[in-house]
Amino acid sequence: DAGITQSPRYKITETGRQVTLMCHQTWSHSYMFWYRQDLGHGLRLIYYSAAADITDKGEVPDGYVVSRSKTENFPLTLESATRSQTSVYFCASITTGGHGEAFFGQGTRLTVV
Amino acid sequence: AQSVTQLGSHVSVSEGALVLLRCNYSSSVPPYLFWYVQYPNQGLQLLLKYTSAATLVKGINGFEAEFKKSETSFHLTKPSAHMSDAAEYFCAVHGGYNKLIFGAGTRLAVHP
Repeated sequence: DAGITQSPRYKITETGRQVTLMCHQTWSHSYMFWYRQDLGHGLRLIYYSAAADITDKGEVPDGYVVSRSKTENFPLTLESATRSQTSVYFCASITTGGHGEAFFGQGTRLTVV
Repeated sequence: AQSVTQLGSHVSVSEGALVLLRCNYSSSVPPYLFWYVQYPNQGLQLLLKYTSAATLVKGINGFEAEFKKSETSFHLTKPSAHMSDAAEYFCAVHGGYNKLIFGAGTRLAVHP
């Protein structure tokens, strides 16, 4: 199916564990993003990537790691999960050329206990 | 640096009434502005976008927004609310490198 998919949709993990959230897009969009959504904060950018092997920090990168070895995949890893990382995580992509529409995945609801 | 502020975290209207969701932006360059909608347990989808072609932008589902440079505003309106419009709405501005910077969101409730 064409689009952008995230997995898992729901995840419960324990404090201190490493967790990886997956994001896959089928359009070959150059730009990809990870946001977290928290009540009262809207969506805050964690990391973004302009192309394969090019990533950069967003507004709230601490505690997260990303990689992009292939254009279509952009996994987000929480190295040692903390309760403050309980959130809904969204992956998005935008076509090259700028100012275009961002396409979002369905989100991953992560709970750290 | 670019930013957006959404006034009102919750807005409640009656079915058939005017919907007005407020967004003010801050940008040192001509902004590219967006409104996104999020239905429960879903990702965001684009309602409309302003890219300097026209100040009044029409989007999907009967929504429109007007770019007012003098007021640094990009408010979202719909003449007549429908129950299906109940959702969370986000204003966003391009922050360079195709990054979208979002406001805190406004939850719209529509009651009969």
